[in-house]
Amino acid sequence: AQSVAQPEDQVNVAEGNPLTVKCTYSVSGNPYLFWYVQYPNRGLQFLLKYITGDNLVKGSYGFEAEFNKSQTSFHLKKPSALVSDSALYFCAVRLNYGGSQGNLIFGKGTKLSVKP
Amino acid sequence: EAGVAQSPRYKIIEKRQSVAFWCNPISGHATLYWYQQILGQGPKLLIQFQNNGVVDDSQLPKDRFSAERLKGVDSTLKIQPAKLEDSAVYLCASILKPLGGFTDTQYFGPGTRLTVL
Repeated sequence: AQSVAQPEDQVNVAEGNPLTVKCTYSVSGNPYLFWYVQYPNRGLQFLLKYITGDNLVKGSYGFEAEFNKSQTSFHLKKPSALVSDSALYFCAVRLNYGGSQGNLIFGKGTKLSVKP
Repeated sequence: EAGVAQSPRYKIIEKRQSVAFWCNPISGHATLYWYQQILGQGPKLLIQFQNNGVVDDSQLPKDRFSAERLKGVDSTLKIQPAKLEDSAVYLCASILKPLGGFTDTQYFGPGTRLTVL
C-alpha cells in the first residue's frame, strides 16, 4: 500500500537558521510527491511537487525539497527560517494505480515552530 | 483567478442533526475532491468526482454521508445524521484535468470546520 510518513510531530527552529521537515514514502511505481502548508484556520496551500527530473525541487516562499530515491525520502528544506514560516506542513504522495488514480495520501503533518 | 470557495466556514450542530457543506471549485476544473481532516491528522479522501460522475467513494461512510455534483461544477457534501466523531475540517480541492492528470496540483479551499456536540 502507498503511504507517507512524517516522523516528527514538531520541529523547532530559531529564526535565521536552516530548517528541515522530514518525509519518507512508500509507493508502487514512480512517486509523485507534494508538500503543502496549512496556516491556522486556513486550507492547504501548495508549496512544491516532484514529478520527475532534478532531485532538488524549488517551490514557494523560498522552500525546496530534495528527492532521494534510495532513501525513499522527500525532505522539505529552507536555508533561513522566518517566524512567519510557523505552520503545519504536510507531505503527500499521489496514488497511481487502480480507480483512485490522482488521489493524494497525506502524512499526519509536522508542526514547524520558528522562534525569534 | 479565484480559488476554491467553500461555505460555511464554521458549523456547530448537535449529534443526530443534519448538515451540508458547499464547494465551488476553480473555474474549469474537471475533478473535485472532498477530504476529511480530523484534528492532529492529515486530510483523508472521502470522495472524488470527475465532472458530474463519482470516480472514487470507497472511503465515504455511505450510511450517513452523501455528496453530489449534479452539473459538474459546484458540489454539496451532506452528513445525516451526524455523530460526535464527524467533528473535523472538511476540505474541498480541485484540479484542472480529469483522471490521469498525475502531475496536476490539487488546489484546496479554506475548509469548513464542523463541531458536533
